[in-house]
Amino acid sequence: NAGVTQTPKFRVLKTGQSMTLLCAQDMNHEYMYWYRQDPGMGLRLIHYSVGEGTTAKGEVPDGYNVSRLKKQNFLLGLESAAPSQTSVYFCASSYRGLYEQYFGPGTRLTVT
Amino acid sequence: TQLLEQSPQFLSIQEGENLTVYCNSSSVFSSLQWYRQEPGEGPVLLVTVVTGGEVKKLKRLTFQFGDARKDSSLHITAAQPGDTGLYLCAGGGFKGQNFVFGPGTRLSVLP
Repeated sequence: NAGVTQTPKFRVLKTGQSMTLLCAQDMNHEYMYWYRQDPGMGLRLIHYSVGEGTTAKGEVPDGYNVSRLKKQNFLLGLESAAPSQTSVYFCASSYRGLYEQYFGPGTRLTVT
Repeated sequence: TQLLEQSPQFLSIQEGENLTVYCNSSSVFSSLQWYRQEPGEGPVLLVTVVTGGEVKKLKRLTFQFGDARKDSSLHITAAQPGDTGLYLCAGGGFKGQNFVFGPGTRLSVLP
């Protein structure tokens, strides 16, 4: 099993550009999450999904959109990137809410 | 909004020393998790505690959940360089489906 995978691993964008981050899990988990991690601020939840076809806002959803068309995939989109979105993005999945979360290796995004 | 604080923010010790890091909140949590994150990787779960006063041991690591379920501690005995990493605590609410993460304690164990 690959667990949770994320693509790409690194990306540099210019202000105003758009991109999509892909997360895939092969553990048949219902719940999936997108976090951003900034120095000294821990992990902050952007959006999450409790099952295929569902999405919900987390703590810091502004400027991001998500989709969960297939159970194993969770996409995070930035429609118009801003420098404030420079961060490391982590995807995670869990069997149910409040269960162990399995994290991907992260995507380092720089917006100039 | 439930907030978690972790202390100390940074800790650098010599191999063989003991240490304790703390996770505190003014909120009550249904459960609390501890994760360790190594550079360039995602966090990995160490333990979940769910009962007030609960103590769990994982080899040289001892985790305790406060009686009021507002705080937790992680004690490492005879630290080793392999313990180096960012230690994150995460609290789960009673109604929510998500955990709130603390900012982490960055531990460096020098050989």
